[in-house]
Parts: sequence; C-alpha cells; structure tokens
Amino acid sequence: DTGVSQDPRHKITKRGQNVTFRCDPISEHNRLYWYRQTLGQGPEFLTYFQNEAQLEKSRLLSDRFSAERPKGSFSTLEIQRTEQGDSAMYLCASSVQGESYNEQFFGPGTRLTVL
Amino acid sequence: ELKVEQNPLFLSMQEGKNYTIYCNYSTTSDRLYWYRQDPGKSLESLFVLLSNGAVKQEGRLMASLDTKARLSTLHITAAVHDLSATYFCAVDKSLQGGSEKLVFGKGTKLTVNP
Repeated sequence: DTGVSQDPRHKITKRGQNVTFRCDPISEHNRLYWYRQTLGQGPEFLTYFQNEAQLEKSRLLSDRFSAERPKGSFSTLEIQRTEQGDSAMYLCASSVQGESYNEQFFGPGTRLTVL
Repeated sequence: ELKVEQNPLFLSMQEGKNYTIYCNYSTTSDRLYWYRQDPGKSLESLFVLLSNGAVKQEGRLMASLDTKARLSTLHITAAVHDLSATYFCAVDKSLQGGSEKLVFGKGTKLTVNP
C-alpha cells in the first residue's frame, strides 16, 4: 500500500487522559502535515514537518499538543490531558518538496472522542 | 490572514442537472486545490490549479481558476448519485513566501437525488 496510513483509526478516551496518534506518510514524501477537522468544517492546519524539522505550528496547537517526526519518516501527535473540545478527526497528509505545487495526500484519519 | 469561502454550503440537486460551486479566497494565491470527502472518510485530491485561466476536467467535474478575481469554480455536468459528497477547495501561500499549509473552505455538501 503506497498511501498515507494512520493508527489508530478510532480512539475513545476519558477527559484528562493522554493519547498518541501515529502517521506513516507516503514513502518518498519528505513533508508531513497534521490537520484537525470537526463536524461540518474544513480541515484546520496544526503543524508540519519537512524531514525531521518541525517548521510551522498553528496557534491551535496548545502546549498540551506535541508532534514529533524523529527520523523524518513516521510522525506522532500526542495530546496530553485531553479535553472534550479535543474531540475531532485528526488528519495526516504528506507531500513532496520540490514540486511546483504542494498537493497533499491525506490519510484516513484518527477519530478522537473524549468523554 | 488568508480566508477561503465556499458557496453554497449545501446543495441538493437532481440527477442529470448542472450546477456550479464557487470558491473565493481573500489574498493572492496562485495555487488552488479541490478535494472530495465521502462521509466518514478522508480527503481525495481532485484537481490542482496553478495559474490564471487554468481549467481541468475529470469526468463530470470541471474546475477553473481566475486569480485576478480570486475565484475558483467547480462545475458539475449531468450529475449522478455517485457524485454525492462534500467538496472542499483549499489554497496555500507558499509561492508568495508564505506557509506551506493549506487553508480550506468549509466545504459544499452535495446531494444528488434520483
């Protein structure tokens, strides 16, 4: 399979717990993005990596959120002390640097429900 | 701040009819993207429009870009039920030295009725 993969696909947790999501990008893609999508809205940017460097973070990414891409391949997104407002679909996307455009390919998403 | 607006947000149409979805954006950007999302699924890339006057077609969908008007359209011809989905447009500002992130509109939920 050559697409973007995410794990888990669904996560239900209680408020206050920590959760971690994983994203595996398309193998030759060196850029990786995290977005959050709530019901009835378009995806909102959270952060992006070029190789292992985190180059941009949104103001949406509070200090409870942290993302890593230690070897420039897969990435993890951790949410500490989850709140009900964190319930959303978390989407990962990847793209190739050097193209004349920035077409991003999305994974299936991780749906988080915070009770 | 770059903003993207789509209209309509909801569209119910009959099979066989034509319609257009509009996407306006607030600041200069020469790269516009259209995505499709089925319920509970992720986003599928449909079109990448890179320059003023660009037009791309795939099956019953045709997308165009007018950078001077900051407007893109997604035209649906002779709609069929399989086109029912939510359609998003998105822009980025990386060519203007801005961010690589995509800024999305709220989406247009299209329902095609028999």
